Amino acid sequence: QSALTQPASVSGSPGQSITISCTGTSSVVGTYNLVSWYQQHPGKAPKLMIYEGSQRPSGASNRFSGSKSGNTASLTISGLQAEDEADYYCCSYAGSGTLVFGGGTKLTVL
Amino acid sequence: EVQLVESGGGLVQPGGSLRLSCAASGFTFSSYWMHWVRQAPGKGLVWVSRINSDGSGTSHADSVKGRFTISRDNAKSTLYLQMNSLRAEDTAVYYCAAGSGTRGDYWGQGTLVTVSS
Repeated sequence: QSALTQPASVSGSPGQSITISCTGTSSVVGTYNLVSWYQQHPGKAPKLMIYEGSQRPSGASNRFSGSKSGNTASLTISGLQAEDEADYYCCSYAGSGTLVFGGGTKLTVL
Repeated sequence: EVQLVESGGGLVQPGGSLRLSCAASGFTFSSYWMHWVRQAPGKGLVWVSRINSDGSGTSHADSVKGRFTISRDNAKSTLYLQMNSLRAEDTAVYYCAAGSGTRGDYWGQGTLVTVSS
């Protein structure tokens, strides 16, 4: 299974907006609109923030939004807060019942 | 309250076996796909295996295919991962996750597996 490519790190100041990209192949991200995004604080379990590309589960802040263009999915966090500092992972359905994660992006709130 | 509690992790020698369990409560276990995801120390998340809601379909990552087997007992609301022929590179925290299809709505806190002589 091919991995998804994410930037290693992004940063932003409180109140700003940031976007994390997740690039896959045309046969993965490009074919299926089944990208999920997870937030993980140190020593904690991942938390679902976005599913099916742009859907937000109950319990996830509406400051989080997802989108897709071609082979790239994106997670945007608006109105950055200190509590948003965490690692973020994208995950896509890759066919034949398999999933693949991106390498993760460390978000630093300056 | 939704709970997923993993158990069965520990220290095992290379080539050895281990069976992980994930006990679920607070939701209708038999309606959800279940996944195992692992995270090596200081590294990212890696999908390992998934099983559909009635246990009739399973998939595994290439790195564990032929060595790991995922299964479930819906009567006991419990997910399993049988891990054989363990290697040093299998050392990780193993999380179970429950989801509607391909997503992970609920996650456990993880159990650490260390493969070392």
